[in-house]
Amino acid sequence: DAMVIQNPRYQVTQFGKPVTLSCSQTLNHNVMYWYQQKSSQAPKLLFHYYDKDFNNEADTPDNFQSRRPNTSFCFLDIRSPGLGDAAMYLCATSTDSYQETQYFGPGTRLLVL
Amino acid sequence: SQKIEQNSEALNIQEGKTATLTCNYTNYSPAYLQWYRQDPGRGPVFLLLIRENEKEKRKERLKVTFDTTLKQSLFHITASQPADSATYLCALHYGGSQGNLIFGKGTKLSVKP
Repeated sequence: DAMVIQNPRYQVTQFGKPVTLSCSQTLNHNVMYWYQQKSSQAPKLLFHYYDKDFNNEADTPDNFQSRRPNTSFCFLDIRSPGLGDAAMYLCATSTDSYQETQYFGPGTRLLVL
Repeated sequence: SQKIEQNSEALNIQEGKTATLTCNYTNYSPAYLQWYRQDPGRGPVFLLLIRENEKEKRKERLKVTFDTTLKQSLFHITASQPADSATYLCALHYGGSQGNLIFGKGTKLSVKP
């Protein structure tokens, strides 16, 4: 089945230690998104890729970076995680047409010690 | 900036009743609105999309309305079942051609047997 896969499902890191979360998709969608969702909060868009074109949200901290080496994969790098970065990180995809739904992966829950 | 409010953090209803969830927004006129379901520890799953020129959309036991004058969407689940218990998120498209969405915090629905 076509899907969005996120690994790992749970990630524990130490304060200040760089961490990378990964997302892959078999939907062949052009657009990939990264969201941060804290407990009982709305998913917050960090950035998205339209093909290789990177689009950063204005309020996304510089501590967050992303890479998309090919259509199928996208990575979220947190250069120096702080305690406030503990959250669920959701990857989503959509086609390149307007008014399209987004397909989400199961998420990676990040814990910062 | 755009603001979305889902006016109930939690809604408890009896099995078989109709659940009605509300999504209000300000400072924008979205071209469309979507509703997603999110189970604990999982990514959101798309349910319905309604466009600004549509008043109502139905899918099985689900119904969505969109009132652009009131800046409000209502989401109904008829003949609710315990399996419908989840958090329901509304999301507005806020611009661009890549389907960027802004999400509400969600309403946690609990359906009691």
